[in-house]
Amino acid sequence: ELKVEQNPLFLSMQEGKNYTIYCNYSTTSDRLYWYRQDPGKSLESLFVLLSNGAVKQEGRLMASLDTKARLSTLHITAAVHDLSATYFCAVDYLYNQGGKLIFGQGTELSVKP
Amino acid sequence: DAGVTQSPTHLIKTRGQQVTLRCSPKSGHDTVSWYQQALGQGPQFIFQYYEEEERQRGNFPDRFSGHQFPNYSSELNVNALLLGDSALYLCASSFSMGLGYSYEQYFGPGTRLTVT
Repeated sequence: ELKVEQNPLFLSMQEGKNYTIYCNYSTTSDRLYWYRQDPGKSLESLFVLLSNGAVKQEGRLMASLDTKARLSTLHITAAVHDLSATYFCAVDYLYNQGGKLIFGQGTELSVKP
Repeated sequence: DAGVTQSPTHLIKTRGQQVTLRCSPKSGHDTVSWYQQALGQGPQFIFQYYEEEERQRGNFPDRFSGHQFPNYSSELNVNALLLGDSALYLCASSFSMGLGYSYEQYFGPGTRLTVT
């Protein structure tokens, strides 16, 4: 069974600092997603990574995918308070049979002034 | 263009009761997947419906069942509710091509189920 592990699970950052969230997964897949979730809300899609070496950036967030290492990273540059949320990575398992997202445990990010 | 919609928003039920949750997919989508998210955890895949049939299923007991209608909307039914069924239930829709290849899943706002 595919496993997806994120680290760290909790991250307290100061505004202006940089940090990286890691997402490791246990079986071959070249489709990975990053989501943001605010408390009590649904999932907001951040990035869709569809091939080895894919890199996408939006504002202060940048995501990358290394399918050979089975690793994705979400890098935060110069954090601001508005980025405080829980971030999930999800591997799209069996997308050629309909797709089944396997989620990591989530990283709860808190950005403090 | 309306995105994925779910109803109701919140629901409170008693142990042993049955519940039905509803989902309408995004326009142009034909596949609906359901996920359960317990507090403090990542979403867990329940099952997926395509062409009115269950195409994939996660590790959930038979108390969890579903249905897809000809207009692609879907229902999730849970029988004999347990306290542990309290969670946010998320519906996601996507478009599948031919042999089952699917594109990105788009999530609805969720239904918060509380079992007392």
